[in-house]
Amino acid sequence: EIVLTQSPGTLSLSPGETATLSCRASQNVNNNYLAWYQQKSGQVPRLLMFGASRRATGIPDRFSGSGSGTDFTFTISRLEPEDFAVYYCLQYGSARYSFGQGTKLEIK
Amino acid sequence: EVQLVESGGGLVQPGESLRLSCAASGFTFSDYYMAWVRQAPGKGLEWVGRIRDKINGYTAEYAPSVRGRFTISRDDSQNLVYLQMNSLKTEDTAVYYCTRESWYLDYWGQGTLVTVSS
Repeated sequence: EIVLTQSPGTLSLSPGETATLSCRASQNVNNNYLAWYQQKSGQVPRLLMFGASRRATGIPDRFSGSGSGTDFTFTISRLEPEDFAVYYCLQYGSARYSFGQGTKLEIK
Repeated sequence: EVQLVESGGGLVQPGESLRLSCAASGFTFSDYYMAWVRQAPGKGLEWVGRIRDKINGYTAEYAPSVRGRFTISRDDSQNLVYLQMNSLKTEDTAVYYCTRESWYLDYWGQGTLVTVSS
């Protein structure tokens, strides 16, 4: 089973700043099958990125992803108030999927 | 519009069983793998398992934490996917989400809460 470790656990930033989130896998993620989700309090997770760097439908280009193998990065530029939420990475390159433990992005 | 609607959650005692259902609409259900994800109160997301399509023999995969206790099945004629949960433990308390698998998990239901408590 692939274990995903996200860092930092909590990120405190102000609107307008840039958020950089990390997701590290315990072994290679096949085909860079790594997705990112946003979950706001009391809401259903929303798909933001897949294939490490491809934005889902309707996701603005302020959101970007990169990385390969075991190290992946998710970046949100020009933070807006609605971006403050919990973010999860998901690896779907193996038969049994796994999520990271989440990074909470909070307003500083 | 893709819709996934879960039902069947509730309060059960440890050791009991419960079956969750997920009604799908807005897409060709039989063409897709379907998965379940859960989220314990105040915790992160946990992949529970998936069921493949008919072409792939309706085979299923499970997370180690539920293997042997949970079973996923589907009825393509009714566009339904099920999660049979046996020998429930207090640590199974969570919101259970039904998701569509397009490799990644692209559509999610609103979730149904399962509480395991004596």
